[in-house]
Amino acid sequence: QKEVEQDPGPLSVPEGAIVSLNCTYSNSAFQYFMWYRQYSRKGPELLMYTYSSGNKEDGRFTAQVDKSSKYISLFIRDSQPSDSATYLCAMSSSSNDYKLSFGAGTTVTVRA
Amino acid sequence: DTGVSQDPRHKITKRGQNVTFRCDPISEHNRLYWYRQTLGQGPEFLTYFQNEAQLEKSRLLSDRFSAERPKGSFSTLEIQRTEQGDSAMYLCASSLPGPYEQYFGPGTRLTVT
Repeated sequence: QKEVEQDPGPLSVPEGAIVSLNCTYSNSAFQYFMWYRQYSRKGPELLMYTYSSGNKEDGRFTAQVDKSSKYISLFIRDSQPSDSATYLCAMSSSSNDYKLSFGAGTTVTVRA
Repeated sequence: DTGVSQDPRHKITKRGQNVTFRCDPISEHNRLYWYRQTLGQGPEFLTYFQNEAQLEKSRLLSDRFSAERPKGSFSTLEIQRTEQGDSAMYLCASSLPGPYEQYFGPGTRLTVT
């Protein structure tokens, strides 16, 4: 079993819909949680960075962390065709010197 | 552009050849990481540096792989005697030391024929 599990999708939604993405993990030591967006054949771009449990909002993006359930989520409101990409969750801990462990990524297509 | 840069962006090589990739991190970042990403998977950690010191190498990094960061600035990743299984995207990221964001470069896509 992988340390970080992420449904690869693909996920297809109409423009304006809410996109809901999630990851589960098994290592209770993880403290820092990230979401990256990756366009085809490009490097990952950091979208959200959160510490421990709770919610964080940035524009159309909301990240949620539930450490008790080992479950993190990313919501994208009012989705746009430009949001079409692969979304990667990543996490790290001080005990592992902040090296990132990634999920496999979820491919999202927003239809105009 | 003050982000992480990588060169080349794409490398095609024949099996058995040696290749070297370069990463230039964000200037004030003294942590530099190398990851490898294969199709349909998330990046996997390979190795990282704090300044010029290489702190850890993943078991994914066979003896054919070597990385350096001689002056604590740019880093190179060399693969000797390439194999088809080495075909992947090689990603470099940099950060400040500690629980800070890692910023990725555009990656070097390696194709071994």
